[in-house]
Parts: sequence; C-alpha cells; structure tokens
Amino acid sequence: EADIYQTPRYLVIGTGKKITLECSQTMGHDKMYWYQQDPGMELHLIHYSYGVNSTEKGDLSSESTVSRIRTEHFPLTLESARPSHTSQYLCASSDAYYGYTFGSGTRLTVV
Amino acid sequence: AQSVAQPEDQVNVAEGNPLTVKCTYSVSGNPYLFWYVQYPNRGLQFLLKYITGDNLVKGSYGFEAEFNKSQTSFHLKKPSALVSDSALYFCAVRDSNAGNNRKLIWGLGTSLAVNP
Repeated sequence: EADIYQTPRYLVIGTGKKITLECSQTMGHDKMYWYQQDPGMELHLIHYSYGVNSTEKGDLSSESTVSRIRTEHFPLTLESARPSHTSQYLCASSDAYYGYTFGSGTRLTVV
Repeated sequence: AQSVAQPEDQVNVAEGNPLTVKCTYSVSGNPYLFWYVQYPNRGLQFLLKYITGDNLVKGSYGFEAEFNKSQTSFHLKKPSALVSDSALYFCAVRDSNAGNNRKLIWGLGTSLAVNP
C-alpha cells in the first residue's frame, strides 16, 4: 500500500490556468523529489527538497515551482499551464536506507 | 561523473524463458544500486537494491540481480518470465561517497515484453 499520495491522478486543464499538483507522504522522509516523465520515457528530475524550507531545482529546467512548508507535503505549482507542460509528474521520497518510494503520478494534459 | 547505462531499449522474451535486463554504472566510490519497475500509467515500484554484502540480491516478484564490481554491472534477472512482467524497468545508482546527497542517477529504462 502506497505511503505517498499524489492528487489528482489525471488532470485536463486549459492553457493559462494555474494548477497545483499535490504530494504527501506519511513516512516522515526528509528528502522528496519531483520527476517529469513522458510516457514510456526516461525520468527527469525537476525539483527536490532535503527538508522543510529547503528546495532546489533539478537537472531539467522547469517553469514549475515547489514549496516545502511541512515535512509531509511537497506541492508543485504551475502558474500558467501550457501544452508543453503536458506530461506525467511523479513525486518520490527517500528514506534512510537510500530507497525511493514513488507516488502513482499525476498525468497532466494542457489543452 | 556518475552515470547509468541500460544498453537495451527493449527486451523481448517468451513466457517461461529466463530474462535478463542489463545495467552498467559508473561512480567514483562504492555504488548503491537499485531496480524499479513501472507499469503503464503508474509510478515506479521498488524491486531490489544492493548496498553491501552478498553480490546476489533477491527482490520482489521473483526477480534477482547480481552486483559485479569488476564489470561495473547490476543486471536484473528472473528464471522464468511471466506475461505480467511486461513493463518498463529502470536501473539507478547513487555514489556512497555522495554524503547527504541522496539523488539517484537513473538509466533511460528498458521496456520488457513477455510474449505468451
């Protein structure tokens, strides 16, 4: 059973809208990550956090922003969605044994 | 620099046959190695990891992987493939010398198709 939750699972939204993808984990992990993945393709790290009030940009430039006000919560926001943002977004957290736990993902379509 | 290579984009195998999904890595220190599986429209699921100890690691769903330091490889194997094993498989590595940086370096993924 997943201990990391992403909502919504699917989202279709119009261009220019502001959206927030939610990610919450109940495991007390300090490290959290956002990845962007096109279907069947590689993972691209877009944001990560090593703890509360700590956020860093990942390897792939992204117009999204993140915040980490609480340990368990790591939301991702797009201020103005565009069709180029259409993708799957995966949230993950990391434990002391170095493994990642992933959420089920949010599949975003911007029309 | 750290890197992971999965040399095969796709692997096809008949049901009941053994399967191998290849992974090689490059790190400056000792590697921490991982395999994850992704089913369509889902997040990644952890299969197994090598941190230290026995070179043969057993994981979920009957999968295993062997750490080979001299060949810098961590190939994923299963003795008898099932159609339900068809999925996308990712290898990942982290350098043990990376300190508090727990970012994993990911391979590009290998699509496994098991034919009935």
